[in-house]
Amino acid sequence: GAVVSQHPSRVICKSGTSVKIECRSLDFQATTMFWYRQFPKQSLMLMATSNEGSKATYEQGVEKDKFLINHASLTLSTLTVTSAHPEDSSFYICSARGRTGRSYNEQFFGPGTRLTVL
Amino acid sequence: AQSVTQLGSHVSVSEGALVLLRCNYSSSVPPYLFWYVQYPNQGLQLLLKYTTGATLVKGINGFEAEFKKSETSFHLTKPSAHMSDAAEYFCAVSTKSSGDKLTFGTGTRLAVRP
Repeated sequence: GAVVSQHPSRVICKSGTSVKIECRSLDFQATTMFWYRQFPKQSLMLMATSNEGSKATYEQGVEKDKFLINHASLTLSTLTVTSAHPEDSSFYICSARGRTGRSYNEQFFGPGTRLTVL
Repeated sequence: AQSVTQLGSHVSVSEGALVLLRCNYSSSVPPYLFWYVQYPNQGLQLLLKYTTGATLVKGINGFEAEFKKSETSFHLTKPSAHMSDAAEYFCAVSTKSSGDKLTFGTGTRLAVRP
């Protein structure tokens, strides 16, 4: 139980285009989802926290207009990188936390999405 | 504010040897502490966590960690390394007051020599 998926696993796009990454909780209802980015050989940096049905809370230094987060249902959150540039190339990882049981006590991580902007 | 320091970005051990990955934290309130493992191009998998209660925590794959408040440490150990343990390991801290947001250390890459 408590499985989180991400789609796509890899994406390559041209500079200036927008890319959408999906994060789904497959077997539990995710009341809270977190989005992280990870640069090569570095740690995970929290970008934003989203609660179902409300606006995301962004960490300091993260541009909310560039990284659009939508958490429209209890099983799906999306991250859209708008007008992507090469410096946005990174590994994006989501995690989800539920409201009951095991999923309430810890975050479950998706497998990540490797974004490459040419 | 909370933070995590992982000493040693790279650790190399022989197969069968003791694994010790160091983690020190800083928190003004009681912390929740976690160890995660990440294999290449994959997300994170929880190895173990400490919230309250027993300070020696046992996790998956034979790993364990001990919460030492006096030393503000949460070092990860495994008595005998296996080749499959080669991965990146992250220590993380969260607190109730931070809304359970995880703050990660910079990670330690574990290599296991045959």
